[in-house]
Amino acid sequence: SQQGEEDPQALSIQEGENATMNCSYKTSINNLQWYRQNSGRGLVHLILIRSNEREKHSGRLRVTLDTSKKSSSLLITASRAADTASYFCATDQAGTALIFGKGTTLSVSS
Amino acid sequence: DAMVIQNPRYQVTQFGKPVTLSCSQTLNHNVMYWYQQKSSQAPKLLFHYYDKDFNNEADTPDNFQSRRPNTSFCFLDIRSPGLGDAAMYLCATSRDRDVQYFGPGTRLTVT
Repeated sequence: SQQGEEDPQALSIQEGENATMNCSYKTSINNLQWYRQNSGRGLVHLILIRSNEREKHSGRLRVTLDTSKKSSSLLITASRAADTASYFCATDQAGTALIFGKGTTLSVSS
Repeated sequence: DAMVIQNPRYQVTQFGKPVTLSCSQTLNHNVMYWYQQKSSQAPKLLFHYYDKDFNNEADTPDNFQSRRPNTSFCFLDIRSPGLGDAAMYLCATSRDRDVQYFGPGTRLTVT
């Protein structure tokens, strides 16, 4: 069953701009994870934020989590053409495996 | 380097002809997962092994089976592939319920 829903479904920006993607979910979670997938490839883990954390940084990535609103956002700063990919949020509910959202397709043009 | 390996990367099979996809890992992770991903869709979990315990998702068709003979290997068997089973099949591993590490995927074509 679908848990996470990303918004927007598609995002096109210029190099150097920031990209923000949002994820909403329905039930309580242990943690929320963001993954990147380049076209035709496997997924790569970007960042994990636990339910008791509100914000986390990793390089040019910033993730926030609002458990009261059941939502998360992924911010990519100073985007590059190499950031072009699909981005998925995935939620870890107690006792179950990860459930992925539908993803946001990011296109960064130079 | 520690990694998740999937073979083959591309597989073509005929309608109804059984096919097996393989996954191996050098991460020594105790959990292994199989996902199906169709074009422009989210990965859909088919089943996973937590150690030796097999966990099947409720909506996974009976046509899909899995084997895990040891910690390092896991197989996905599709007994009678239909045209609707054409997809990318992704294997992933994790230490308990932590971060998942994905293989590159096997793209299955059914003719």
